[in-house]
Formats: sequence, C-alpha cells, structure tokens
Amino acid sequence: EAGVTQFPSHSVIEKGQTVTLRCDPISGHDNLYWYRRVMGKEIKFLLHFVKESKQDESGMPNNRFLAERTGGTYSTLKVQPAELEDSGVYFCASSRSEGVSTEAFFGQGTRLTVV
Amino acid sequence: AQSVAQPEDQVNVAEGNPLTVKCTYSVSGNPYLFWYVQYPNRGLQFLLKYITGDNLVKGSYGFEAEFNKSQTSFHLKKPSALVSDSALYFCAVRASSSYKLIFGSGTRLLVRP
Repeated sequence: EAGVTQFPSHSVIEKGQTVTLRCDPISGHDNLYWYRRVMGKEIKFLLHFVKESKQDESGMPNNRFLAERTGGTYSTLKVQPAELEDSGVYFCASSRSEGVSTEAFFGQGTRLTVV
Repeated sequence: AQSVAQPEDQVNVAEGNPLTVKCTYSVSGNPYLFWYVQYPNRGLQFLLKYITGDNLVKGSYGFEAEFNKSQTSFHLKKPSALVSDSALYFCAVRASSSYKLIFGSGTRLLVRP
C-alpha cells in the first residue's frame, strides 16, 4: 500500500510569488489534513478535509492560503502571494473514516523556503 | 485550550540503556494520545497510541508509552536504546470531539554507541 505522497519535496521561491503544494493521500482515506512546522517549532494544524469538504479550517493563517480537494482525492495547498514567514515544512496526512481514535499517516513533507 | 508539552529539547542516552521521552498534555474530556517519530529526511511515522484501556501501550520498534491520567502524562519509553533510535520524537493529543492533532515541540533523541 502506497503511503501519503507530497510534491515537491523542496521549493524555494521569492517573496510575492505563488507556490502550490500537492498531497496524494492513501487510497480510500476520506480524511485529509494539512499541518506545518515553522522554524523548528511545534507542528501546527492548518485544516481538515472529509472527502472534498472542508471540515475544519481553523488553523489556516490568512487568506493567502487556499486549500482544495477536488473530487475527494488529492489535495493542493496554494500560497499566494508568499511571505517570508511562510517558510517551513508543510505536512499532509490522511486517515480512515473510523473516528477520532484512528491514527493519521503523514507524508514526508514539503520544505518551503521563501527568500 | 488544548496543549502538549515536551519539556526536553534533547535526550541523550547510551546504547543499551533505557530511555524516556517525556510528554504532558492538557485537553478537555478524554484524550487520545499519539507518538510519532521523524527520522532524518523522512516524514512522520506513527509509533503508538492510547485510546482507552490498559495504561501501558506497546508500539513499533520496541517502544511503549505509559498513560497517567492523574499526572496528565504520556511518556515514551524503551527498555534498551539502539543507535538507530536517534530521531525526532513528537507527542500529540486529540480531543474526543475533534480530528485535529495538537503536537508538542518535539524532542531530539541521541543514542550514542
């Protein structure tokens, strides 16, 4: 079974540019999450999809961030325009629809550097 | 508010010795507790979880964790450390009403030969 896959693994962009991160969850996982870790601090929740619907987007920092999950399969996270403070590692995770006790499986992350 | 504290930025232990990585939490209601590990240039890997029942849970790679409700702790343990256990360890909590994971800041474990 393939794990959670994220593209790209690294991205370096200039302030003001746009970047789109992609996540392919484990097949059959209805729940998909985005998290990020900034400057070696704790990993923080961004948002949660159930299939194609946004269940909880309370962690999205501002309207420069847009997440989509068309068709309930893969998801994209767009940052437009990027700012220096957006640098960090963005993790995607997915889990089965078996309640909140189910563990989430994480991808390897996308390291975003805004210069 | 929900929170997780990992009081040690780094834990150093000699190979073959027991190890403990500490975690305390604060959450409303019954907690669901998780440990994840991140090896260099890899993603987060699930190690173990506590949902209910026996306070001592066993997970991957010989790790175990003990849930202590009165102390609101969920410390990660291993009886005999390996050099290959060197990695970054994250404790996380989820309230029973939410899918959101709240993570600690991580503890780097260094096991010296």
